[in-house]
Amino acid sequence: QKEVEQDPGPLSVPEGAIVSLNCTYSNSAFQYFMWYRQYSRKGPELLMYTYSSGNKEDGRFTAQVDKSSKYISLFIRDSQPSDSATYLCAMSDMNRDDKIIFGKGTRLHILP
Amino acid sequence: KAGVTQTPRYLIKTRGQQVTLSCSPISGHRSVSWYQQTPGQGLQFLFEYFSETQRNKGNFPGRFSGRQFSNSRSEMNVSTLELGDSALYLCASSPLRRNTGELFFGEGSRLTVL
Repeated sequence: QKEVEQDPGPLSVPEGAIVSLNCTYSNSAFQYFMWYRQYSRKGPELLMYTYSSGNKEDGRFTAQVDKSSKYISLFIRDSQPSDSATYLCAMSDMNRDDKIIFGKGTRLHILP
Repeated sequence: KAGVTQTPRYLIKTRGQQVTLSCSPISGHRSVSWYQQTPGQGLQFLFEYFSETQRNKGNFPGRFSGRQFSNSRSEMNVSTLELGDSALYLCASSPLRRNTGELFFGEGSRLTVL
């Protein structure tokens, strides 16, 4: 079982829709959970950062962590064509070797 | 504040050659990590340096090596290139000693091995 699983997509949704992106993981020691956004031919940029369980909201973006289910989500409200990108989840465990493990990314297309 | 700068952006090499990639982190950042990104494997961790010391290493063969200089700039080297080394190589810097995941990535160096 891979440490981090993420559906590669592509996921196509109409503009204005709510988008839900998800990752599952196997290592219960992960404490830090991140979402990165990567546009074509660019490096990833940090979008959301969460420590432990719970929700975090930033504008149209909400990150959710459910450690009991080993499941994290990113919700995008009122999706825009500019949100079209690849979204990578990432997580790390500071108590181990604190390597950051990335999911393979989900390609998202917002249709105008 | 300037971002992470990687050079060269694109390069083409042939099998058996070697390549050196360079990364200048954000000013003040002392941690530099390198990742390989391919469509099949996604982002895979190569190594991380902090204050010129390698802190962590991923599961890559010894042909992949790196170093960090006193000004925090970093280089990675791949020797005896193989076709499978074709990838986007990303450098990321962080201001933090511990790797909590707040990484600032450069735009990458896209290596094609023929």
